[in-house]
Amino acid sequence: GQSLEQPSEVTAVEGAIVQINCTYQTSGFYGLSWYQQHDGGAPTFLSYNALDGLEETGRFSSFLSRSDSYGYLLLQELQMKDSASYFCAVRDQDDKIIFGKGTRLHILP
Amino acid sequence: KAGVTQTPRYLIKTRGQQVTLSCSPISGHRSVSWYQQTPGQGLQFLFEYFSETQRNKGNFPGRFSGRQFSNSRSEMNVSTLELGDSALYLCASSLSEGDGYTFGSGTRLTVV
Repeated sequence: GQSLEQPSEVTAVEGAIVQINCTYQTSGFYGLSWYQQHDGGAPTFLSYNALDGLEETGRFSSFLSRSDSYGYLLLQELQMKDSASYFCAVRDQDDKIIFGKGTRLHILP
Repeated sequence: KAGVTQTPRYLIKTRGQQVTLSCSPISGHRSVSWYQQTPGQGLQFLFEYFSETQRNKGNFPGRFSGRQFSNSRSEMNVSTLELGDSALYLCASSLSEGDGYTFGSGTRLTVV
């Protein structure tokens, strides 16, 4: 079936850089999105890659390679407030929205 | 501007009952989608509405239904509740795909 795969947990140190990967098995889709969700909060939109390549928004960057069925979210200069769950999402060729199960990011001081 | 508003925030129902959840999107957003979030399954797509028409539906049984009104407000209904329906139900609205989805705070449904 169609699915997005993400690591369940990632741990990094404050001030460092971390990459959260998202690989997908969908036959076609319209772009890759990333969302952040803090415990008890609602998901918030971070970025959208319609085309292959890197999109940068402040400390966060997102990358997409359709040929490799792969994308990632890069977080730089990690801060404690970045501790959260991160979800990748696509709209597939059947027009359904699919989310990965999320990556919980732990940040150590 | 006001965000996405979902009501109620919390709900406790017993098995077999039915429930209706409400979502008011951001003004000007005509696309509204609904998701079920549970610890084990993550965010699962329920359905999406655009201009009062159901655009698509996820893999949920027919007990889950929804609708959208002319003012873009949306409701979802779950009939014959089961224990497994206990979850956080999130609504999101969007202006366009590239702008991403703005989520409401959700309705926490507990079925006992």
